[in-house]
Amino acid sequence: NAGVTQTPKFQVLKTGQSMTLQCAQDMNHEYMSWYRQDPGMGLRLIHYSVGAGITDQGEVPNGYNVSRSTTEDFPLRLLSAAPSQTSVYFCASSPGGLPDTQYFGPGTRLTVL
Amino acid sequence: GENVEQHPSTLSVQEGDSAVIKCTYSDSASNYFPWYKQELGKGPQLIIDIRSNVGEKKDQRIAVTLNKTAKHFSLHITETQPEDSAVYFCAAIRTGTASKLTFGTGTRLQVTL
Repeated sequence: NAGVTQTPKFQVLKTGQSMTLQCAQDMNHEYMSWYRQDPGMGLRLIHYSVGAGITDQGEVPNGYNVSRSTTEDFPLRLLSAAPSQTSVYFCASSPGGLPDTQYFGPGTRLTVL
Repeated sequence: GENVEQHPSTLSVQEGDSAVIKCTYSDSASNYFPWYKQELGKGPQLIIDIRSNVGEKKDQRIAVTLNKTAKHFSLHITETQPEDSAVYFCAAIRTGTASKLTFGTGTRLQVTL
């Protein structure tokens, strides 16, 4: 199993550009989530999904969209990038549709100029 | 909602010494407490967890203790080694009902030679 994979590893955007961060897992996990990690602020939940076709907002959803058309994939879309979205983004998945035991991907470091 | 506080934010110990990281939580109904280790440039990885029906759990050099009355739990690392240097996150959740895992803000542990 590859576990949780994320692409790209690094990305630089200009203010106003849009892009999609990709996340995939091959463990047949129902629960998937996106976090951002900023210095001194730990991990903050952006959006999550308890199964295909179901998504919901986390703590900091503004400026981000998600969709879950398959169990495996959970892309995160930045609609119009802002410097405040400069961060490291982690995708995670968990079995059974519950967020208890999460497996994290390697992260995407995003810089918005 | 749940609130998790983690202390200290940084911790430096000499190789071979013990390290202790403490977390407190606010929701008395929380019943699952995982600990994650994040090495530089990587995603967090689950290293140990504890459920509310036990007071202590050990796995080789690491152990976690839980005090439900005081609503705090701790990570203990004995005989520290340089490879233990990382950021450690605690988390808490009420399984089966909560939709998200609440993380502490992290502790940067440095093990010096």
